[in-house]
Amino acid sequence: RKEVEQDPGPFNVPEGATVAFNCTYSNSASQSFFWYRQDCRKEPKLLMSVYSSGNEDGRFTAQLNRASQYISLLIRDSKLSDSATYLCHSGTSYGKLTFGQGTILTVHP
Amino acid sequence: ETGVTQSPTHLIKTRGQQVTLRCSSQSGHNTVSWYQQALGQGPQFIFQYYREEENGRGNFPPRFSGLQFPNYSSELNVNALELDDSALYLCASSFWGAYEQYFGPGTRLTVT
Repeated sequence: RKEVEQDPGPFNVPEGATVAFNCTYSNSASQSFFWYRQDCRKEPKLLMSVYSSGNEDGRFTAQLNRASQYISLLIRDSKLSDSATYLCHSGTSYGKLTFGQGTILTVHP
Repeated sequence: ETGVTQSPTHLIKTRGQQVTLRCSSQSGHNTVSWYQQALGQGPQFIFQYYREEENGRGNFPPRFSGLQFPNYSSELNVNALELDDSALYLCASSFWGAYEQYFGPGTRLTVT
């Protein structure tokens, strides 16, 4: 079983839609969680941190569920510019960093 | 503030050859991590360097090795290249103890 798993998608949604991604992790010792965005043939860029209390940044909301060992990312009012691959990331200890395989999102007019 | 830089941008090598990739960390960051990203996959953690020593390592063979220099820049060396080593190699820097990764643009390696 992979340490961090994501539904690869692709998710195809119209502009204005709400879309949610989940990411499960297997190591209960995982301490920190993040979402990254990666555009085609570019490097990943940090999107937001994920906390048990939730984290909201404009149209984006991230949530951590430790009991079920998953993190989520909710995007409201999708824009064409949101089209990208979304990567979840967990840090288990210093020097142990794991990414999921990424979820592809395409927002169409 | 200077971001993470990597060189070269692209590289083509032949199976069996050796390659060295370079990375300069973001200003103020003292920790460097290297990742391999195959097409359609997420970045796979290779190793992390802090204080010029390897701090953690993913599931990569010993022919993947690295260095960190006093100015926090880093090198990734791969010996005896295999076709499966063809990938985007990403360097990320951070502060020691922080998990957030700040990536460079990557080096695209093609092994023929």
